[in-house]
Amino acid sequence: QKEVEQNSGPLSVPEGAIASLNCTYSDRGSQSFFWYRQYSGKSPELIMFIYSNGDKEDGRFTAQLNKASQYVSLLIRDSQPSDSATYLCAVGGTYKYIFGTGTRLKVLA
Amino acid sequence: GAVVSQHPSRVICKSGTSVKIECRSLDFQATTMFWYRQFPKKSLMLMATSNEGSKATYEQGVEKDKFLINHASLTLSTLTVTSAHPEDSSFYICSAYRGWPGSTDTQYFGPGTRLTVL
Repeated sequence: QKEVEQNSGPLSVPEGAIASLNCTYSDRGSQSFFWYRQYSGKSPELIMFIYSNGDKEDGRFTAQLNKASQYVSLLIRDSQPSDSATYLCAVGGTYKYIFGTGTRLKVLA
Repeated sequence: GAVVSQHPSRVICKSGTSVKIECRSLDFQATTMFWYRQFPKKSLMLMATSNEGSKATYEQGVEKDKFLINHASLTLSTLTVTSAHPEDSSFYICSAYRGWPGSTDTQYFGPGTRLTVL
């Protein structure tokens, strides 16, 4: 059974701080890794994807991938109240994804 | 680019009726579309993978006779919930894959359809 694990949270951080979200996966053959943000009652929206080991930065977001440890993380710098949402980690083989249960982030003003 | 629409966004129906949900990729062709359902405070559960011109592949535990999927064209997939019951009430979300199996593209999600069965 292929699994993607996330801490459900909530993770509370003060405005302006760095939020760190973590995800582990069980399938060593996984090739693609995604972070989606989902607001309550809405569908997921893609924040970042990463395919190679290391860091990938996009604005305030940095995705980190460590395939040896089967670990992917998302850092959100200068967190804003509008970042408060559930963050879903998705792990893909060819094109099919397995989603984690999501981590609820609360950014406190 | 990569916009996916769903219709309707919200539907309320009586128990025993059938409901059709459409998923369209508006600005790209999608050889593969996916259907998910999400219960409150839970993650997305993949129901089935829909390939244009062929039968859908259903995940374990998903009744294919209850959730009929038709991928009629490269831009349209439909999910029909047949003889809906209150336990089918959920948030149904489709996604469209812009690449091909083995490529490194991503799934683009539609806005979702909230189904309530009375």
